[in-house]
Amino acid sequence: DAKTTQPPSMDCAEGRAANLPCNHSTISGNEYVYWYRQIHSQGPQYIIHGLKNNETNEMASLIITEDRKSSTLILPHATLRDTAVYYCIVRASSGTYKYIFGTGTRLKVLA
Amino acid sequence: GAVVSQHPSRVICKSGTSVKIECRSLDFQATTMFWYRQFPKKSLMLMATSNEGSKATYEQGVEKDKFLINHASLTLSTLTVTSAHPEDSSFYICSARPPQGLAETQYFGPGTRLLVL
Repeated sequence: DAKTTQPPSMDCAEGRAANLPCNHSTISGNEYVYWYRQIHSQGPQYIIHGLKNNETNEMASLIITEDRKSSTLILPHATLRDTAVYYCIVRASSGTYKYIFGTGTRLKVLA
Repeated sequence: GAVVSQHPSRVICKSGTSVKIECRSLDFQATTMFWYRQFPKKSLMLMATSNEGSKATYEQGVEKDKFLINHASLTLSTLTVTSAHPEDSSFYICSARPPQGLAETQYFGPGTRLLVL
């Protein structure tokens, strides 16, 4: 599975958009990009995933570059409850479907 | 979304004893479940992939005789930490994958905090 690179930490003002980048330059054509977040002492929570096209749901938007080597998770209006560690994961569409977690980005939303 | 539970949520045991952690998918059948371990301020580390009715596949460096995994049904997988030592103290998290489709997500349990004295 492709490795991902994320900045270790970011701050965001409450009410502003949080843009979390992820680099996955070795991604293969059949690998999806998944985003999860983990609030302290809880299991990871699914946010969104995509293959090629940009995706949006009630939680966030996912922007994938045309060459698919990087992506950005956008939380449009960050709240204090969005403070968490955000993980970008690249997962194959066949085989074991296992996730290999990177170090993630620790997002702190500031009041 | 799909719900995965873990039991117990936290456990304290004496060194040398065995501890069993259960992972259940409550509203879907999971042919594959995964077990992770997480140390404080660190990322999740995949320990093993558990397939219903077959032996688990362990990641490199994970002792299969120490971390026994059983996936006896489509909704239940168990992780038994045998002869626990203080260095096994960690946050253990399971996830479950629904069988349908290529892009289905994994759903994670709330985790089990193990403290070995």
